[in-house]
Amino acid sequence: AQKVTQAQTEISVVEKEDVTLDCVYETRDTTYYLFWYKQPPSGELVFLIRRNSFDEQNEISGRYSWNFQKSTSSFNFTITASQVVDSAVYFCALSGVTTDSWGKLQFGAGTQVVVTP
Amino acid sequence: KAGVTQTPRYLIKTRGQQVTLSCSPISGHRSVSWYQQTPGQGLQFLFEYFSETQRNKGNFPGRFSGRQFSNSRSEMNVSTLELGDSALYLCASSFMTSGQYNEQFFGPGTRLTVL
Repeated sequence: AQKVTQAQTEISVVEKEDVTLDCVYETRDTTYYLFWYKQPPSGELVFLIRRNSFDEQNEISGRYSWNFQKSTSSFNFTITASQVVDSAVYFCALSGVTTDSWGKLQFGAGTQVVVTP
Repeated sequence: KAGVTQTPRYLIKTRGQQVTLSCSPISGHRSVSWYQQTPGQGLQFLFEYFSETQRNKGNFPGRFSGRQFSNSRSEMNVSTLELGDSALYLCASSFMTSGQYNEQFFGPGTRLTVL
């Protein structure tokens, strides 16, 4: 069975501070995909990034960066120089490629990020 | 390109009634997945349709059903509503390709309240 754990329930920061969101996953699949989504107060889940299990290269995209470490089953996400508009719930998600994973994202519980001016 | 659309956005029903929610995927996307989001259980997978066939199903009772039409639009139905069915129902579409899992794009959701 697949499982995603986001241990941080809520993180509060002041604008311009960096925010790092932790994500730990469990899967028996050798091929899998990891995602980060953002859910602002409007409710719509917004896709941020995707990584597959064969690509451990960490990247930076604008103010977003991620750290994928297969050895520790972690897929952490960092927002640099946070802004008030970054306030949202952030979800880490996992999917495999076997038939029981088709179309299914296994989500973590989410981390509420609150950025104050 | 238009995003995923869901109708209606809000619904209020009473226990025992049934409800149908609709989802139109992004043009060209043939995979449609449905999720239920509640404060207690978080985001839970309901089912996925691809080319009018249900390929995967989550752990929900038979009262929850769905279908997909030839134009990839999808509907989900909940019969005999219970108070616990109150939730945000999210639809997502994806451009599935062989051997690769692509990201899902979500609609704004339908907020269902059961009284």
